Amino acid sequence: SQTIHQWPATLVQPVGSPLSLECTVEGTSNPNLYWYRQAAGRGLQLLFYSVGIGQISSEVPQNLSASRPQDRQFILSSKKLLLSDSGFYLCAWSQDTSYEQYFGPGTRLTVT
Amino acid sequence: AQRVTQPEKLLSVFKGAPVELKCNYSYSGSPELFWYVQYSRQRLQLLLRHISRESIKGFTADLNKGETSFHLKKPFAQEEDSAMYYCAQNSGGGADGLTFGKGTHLIIQP
Repeated sequence: SQTIHQWPATLVQPVGSPLSLECTVEGTSNPNLYWYRQAAGRGLQLLFYSVGIGQISSEVPQNLSASRPQDRQFILSSKKLLLSDSGFYLCAWSQDTSYEQYFGPGTRLTVT
Repeated sequence: AQRVTQPEKLLSVFKGAPVELKCNYSYSGSPELFWYVQYSRQRLQLLLRHISRESIKGFTADLNKGETSFHLKKPFAQEEDSAMYYCAQNSGGGADGLTFGKGTHLIIQP
């Protein structure tokens, strides 16, 4: 069966520091991958999605970037964190033939 | 741009009472619509999708294209239904992500 992992589970970083959040999927190949941010009172916002290795689409301009170095690995990064980057980051995957998405456990990021 | 509206941030009902969580979408065509649920300390998970027409944990949702609504209903609420509920749509082609509503926090009182 397919599983999706995210780490770290929680992270506290100072303003201006770099960020790297990792997401991996097991049990499937060539999944579509997604990064969302869940902010209090604002629901989930799609940040990036990827349909294949090296293919990244950005939904909103921001201080973050994403990369997909391997088929089942999706990384969310920042060179310099801002206070506004605090939030709960969710990774998700879907099959190419389905819109149904499956979510990871999330990473709670606090920028201080 | 697609928009999903969940007008209630918080909904509190007593155990055994009927529940209706409202959701309106903006896409004029034929979107794929979903309800996701997030129980306390658990990951976001799919509750149901309109295409499957299933009833999951006693919940149903009917797509009303005339009203562009996809309200989630359950005739008799149970305490374990307390959770955050998100309505979502995927209206585009290809692999673009889901557009979520802001969520409704459902509290079932004993």
